[in-house]
Amino acid sequence: NAGVTQTPKFRVLKTGQSMTLLCAQDMNHEYMYWYRQDPGMGLRLIHYSVGEGTTAKGEVPDGYNVSRLKKQNFLLGLESAAPSQTSVYFCASSYSPGNEQYFGPGTRLTVT
Amino acid sequence: AQSVSQHNHHVILSEAASLELGCNYSYGGTVNLFWYVQYPGQHLQLLLKYFSGDPLVKGIKGFEAEFIKSKFSFNLRKPSVQWSDTAEYFCAVNPYDFKAAGNKLTFGGGTRVLVKP
Repeated sequence: NAGVTQTPKFRVLKTGQSMTLLCAQDMNHEYMYWYRQDPGMGLRLIHYSVGEGTTAKGEVPDGYNVSRLKKQNFLLGLESAAPSQTSVYFCASSYSPGNEQYFGPGTRLTVT
Repeated sequence: AQSVSQHNHHVILSEAASLELGCNYSYGGTVNLFWYVQYPGQHLQLLLKYFSGDPLVKGIKGFEAEFIKSKFSFNLRKPSVQWSDTAEYFCAVNPYDFKAAGNKLTFGGGTRVLVKP
């Protein structure tokens, strides 16, 4: 039982490049989330999903897109990376929206 | 919009000292409350949670938190810290009526705790 996994762990991009972050969970959770963590700002919700085939915007969605084609996977895409997107990205999942969220190990992204 | 405030950004203390971290939230309805911990280089883990019932909740590793509804607070405490408690601590709030509030868990800015051996 791996819980929540994320790939890659580290990535360096140049401004304007694109990439996709992959999140996978093996707990059969309906709800999945993408957060970014910046110093002093805690975690801010980018996008979330309430089930396979659904996505919704969170607090800071601009510059990101997501897809949930399979229940166990939640992808975060950056179409044209900007230095302001340098951050640590965490994926999480939960059985229901009010319950505990389980977090992945994070992806450290640097955009130069 | 709901918000969560953690009053201390950095706390430095010695082993065996007592720890109290403040957390206040702004949301008028019923809430679920959480404290998460992030040890250096690791992902967030749940310390404890409050949904209803006894406002004094006990979590893992000797931590406890008290929900004071009238003060919109959920402060975290540990009577005697250890070096291994060095970590960043996050308070988080999830409205019970999650759909009306945008279905999100709102985090505080975090408190970095350094325990000196």
